[in-house]
This record gives sequence, structure tokens and C-alpha cells, in this order.
Amino acid sequence: NAGVMQNPRHLVRRRGQEARLRCSPMKGHSHVYWYRQLPEEGLKFMVYLQKENIIDESGMPKERFSAEFPKEGPSILRIQQVVRGDSAAYFCASSSDRAGGVYEQYFGPGTRLTVT
Amino acid sequence: ILNVEQSPQSLHVQEGDSTNFTCSFPSSNFYALHWYRWETAKSPEALFVMTLNGDEKKKGRISATLNTKEGYSYLYIKGSQPEDSATYLCAPSGSARQLTFGSGTQLTVLP
Repeated sequence: NAGVMQNPRHLVRRRGQEARLRCSPMKGHSHVYWYRQLPEEGLKFMVYLQKENIIDESGMPKERFSAEFPKEGPSILRIQQVVRGDSAAYFCASSSDRAGGVYEQYFGPGTRLTVT
Repeated sequence: ILNVEQSPQSLHVQEGDSTNFTCSFPSSNFYALHWYRWETAKSPEALFVMTLNGDEKKKGRISATLNTKEGYSYLYIKGSQPEDSATYLCAPSGSARQLTFGSGTQLTVLP
């Protein structure tokens, strides 16, 4: 049973380009979360999605960042017109949907984005 | 949930020593407390999820306790081994599913 997959593992973009980060959740998981780790900082929540719905995007920067989790395919975190401050490790996690239960979030290996 | 504090920030122990770390969090709007183990260049690995005051979980030599009334959790490692070297993160969550991570305790076990 494959875990959470993220690709690419490393991504280099020049300022002004777009970055697309992909996350495939664990089999059977319908909830996806994106977290960001800026240099010298801890993991910070960005967005929580279920299939075709954004549930909570309270941690997402207001501009240039968007996320989706389509009915088919991986979840995508998209950063338009990247700036140096976007350089960070972006982690995806997934969980199952057990009503009334406690949901563990399982993390992927992360995508390290470097903006030059 | 804000103001998650973990202490100590870093810790060096000798192989065979037992050790423990603390996670403090606001007790209001509490739903669950997660502990993760994070080795460099790997994914954070889920250790425990606890919800009830007084909960105690154990996995091998690692155990954790939870006090939701006063807002803290302890993680214990018995007989530390070099392979236990990692950063240990706690993350409380409220009714929303997002996790709020502490800055972690970086453990180094010296052979």
C-alpha cells in the first residue's frame, strides 16, 4: 500500500515562473492537506481539501497561491509568479474520513521548491 | 490553536538513557493531540493521536500521555537508541482538521 506521493521532490523555478506541486493521497484517503516549511521555521498549515472542494484555506497566502483536488488525479498546489520568499519545503498529508473518529494525517516526502 | 510550545528545543542523551519532552498547548477548543517523529530528509511519521484527558499511548519504547485540562502532553522514550535520533513534533488540532505544529524537540542519541 503506497504512502502519500509527492512530485517533483525538488523543483527549481526562476522568479516570475509558475510552480505546480502534485500530491497523490494514500489509497482510500479522500482528505488532503498542504503544509509549508519556510527556512528555519516549523510546519505551517496552508489548505485542506476534499475531492473537488476546498474546506479550509485559512493558511493560504491571498495572492498567487491556489489549490485543487479534482475528482480524478492528484491534488495540485499552484504558485503563480514565484518570488524568492516562496522557497520552502511543501508537504502534503492525507487522511481517511471516519465519521466521528480521530483521523491521523500521513505525510508525503515533500517538494523542495527553490526560486532563483 | 495557537501558541504550541515544545521543550526542550534540543536534547543530547547517551544510548540507553531514558528521556522525555513536553508539549504545551491552549486547552480551549481542543480536539486531538498528534505526535510525529521526523527524521532529516524523510516524511514526518505519525506516532500517536490522543483525544481524551488521561489518555496514554505506547508504541515499543515510546509512550505519550495527555492532560487536556491543563494543556500538556509528555512523550517518553525508554532506553534511547541512536536510531531514535530525530525531531519530535507535537500538533494539537481543534474542531477544524488543520494541525498546528510546535517547533519540535530535536533529539540526538549518542552511541
